[in-house]
Amino acid sequence: QQQVKQSPQSLIVQKGGISIINCAYENTAFDYFPWYQQFPGKGPALLIAIRPDVSEKKEGRFTISFNKSAKQFSLHIMDSQPGDSATYFCAASIYTDKLIFGTGTRLQVFP
Amino acid sequence: DGGITQSPKYLFRKEGQNVTLSCEQNLNHDAMYWYRQDPGQGLRLIYYSQIVNDFQKGDIAEGYSVSREKKESFPLTVTSAQKNPTAFYLCASREDRLANEKLFFGSGTQLSVL
Repeated sequence: QQQVKQSPQSLIVQKGGISIINCAYENTAFDYFPWYQQFPGKGPALLIAIRPDVSEKKEGRFTISFNKSAKQFSLHIMDSQPGDSATYFCAASIYTDKLIFGTGTRLQVFP
Repeated sequence: DGGITQSPKYLFRKEGQNVTLSCEQNLNHDAMYWYRQDPGQGLRLIYYSQIVNDFQKGDIAEGYSVSREKKESFPLTVTSAQKNPTAFYLCASREDRLANEKLFFGSGTQLSVL
């Protein structure tokens, strides 16, 4: 019940395309859903986060879509760029509790 | 600049040896965390501390130990009991232990076994 399942494990997208990464959870008590971006040899950094009272949040080219009934949320990267090539982690937590991370998606954007 | 400093960047451990990974933050954050990252397994929580002189086990605490004697420091010791220590170790902190706030991560330490 504490797991967050992330797919795909790797993703190859052409420059200008849309990258979509999906996550699913079981615990309906989760109330915070962030996405982290990690470049090789570096620590992850918060990209965007959503709470379950909204169905979508957009920041620049990055959008989180949240489907509470399906217990799924996804990250959409519009107009993907080579600089977006990184590993992306979804996560979930209950207020004040620790974050549960997905297994990560390695995104490669080719020119 | 405020941030989290992890050292060393690379560390090698011999069989039967204990090694300590350093994590220092100057963000004045209450909560600090240690994660282990293995390829294809995401980030797994080893230990966390929400206040000085207190810490809790995470999901994979066996073979590890920590201390939190100062707010800014949270060192992790990988003991000889950890039979598969090769991994990328990440330290993180969070400002408010009572709210969902973003985690700030260090740049990590790559630990390898000789």
